Amino acid sequence: QKEVEQDPGPLSVPEGAIVSLNCTYSNSAFQYFMWYRQYSRKGPELLMYTYSSGNKEDGRFTAQVDKSSKYISLFIRDSQPSDSATYLCAMSDTDKLIFGTGTRLQVFP
Amino acid sequence: GAGVSQTPSNKVTEKGKYVELRCDPISGHTALYWYRQSLGQGPEFLIYFQGTGAADDSGLPNDRFFAVRPEGSVSTLKIQRTERGDSAVYLCASSLNSLNTEAFFGQGTRLTVV
Repeated sequence: QKEVEQDPGPLSVPEGAIVSLNCTYSNSAFQYFMWYRQYSRKGPELLMYTYSSGNKEDGRFTAQVDKSSKYISLFIRDSQPSDSATYLCAMSDTDKLIFGTGTRLQVFP
Repeated sequence: GAGVSQTPSNKVTEKGKYVELRCDPISGHTALYWYRQSLGQGPEFLIYFQGTGAADDSGLPNDRFFAVRPEGSVSTLKIQRTERGDSAVYLCASSLNSLNTEAFFGQGTRLTVV
């Protein structure tokens, strides 16, 4: 079993939809949780990070962490075609990030 | 520079050859990381530098892989006797501190071993 599990998708939604992306993990030592967006042939771009449990909002993006269930989510409101990319969850306890496989999202007009 | 810069962006090499991949981190970032990303997968950790020293090299797959950061800025990932299985995108990231909470990635070097 991988330390971090993420549904690879692809996920296809119409413009304006609310998107929910999720990851589960097995290592209870993880304390830092991140979401990255990766466009084709580009490096990952940090969207949000959260320390421990709770919610964090930034514009159309909301990150949630539930440490008791070892489950994290990223919600995208009012999704746009420009949101079409691969979304990677990542987490760490110390110096290295452990990534999920990424979920490919396509938002069609 | 404004972001993490990696060169070359693409590298094609023959099986058995030696390659060097370069990473120029964001100015002032003391922490530097190398990751490897295969098609359809998330990045996998290779090595982490804090300053000039390798603080964690537990992700290097074998002794053909080696990385240096002699002056605490630019880093070079070196791969000896390349194999076809080494083909992947090699990503470099840097962050201001060692907590890795805000690591910024370069665009990667796409290595193809033929």
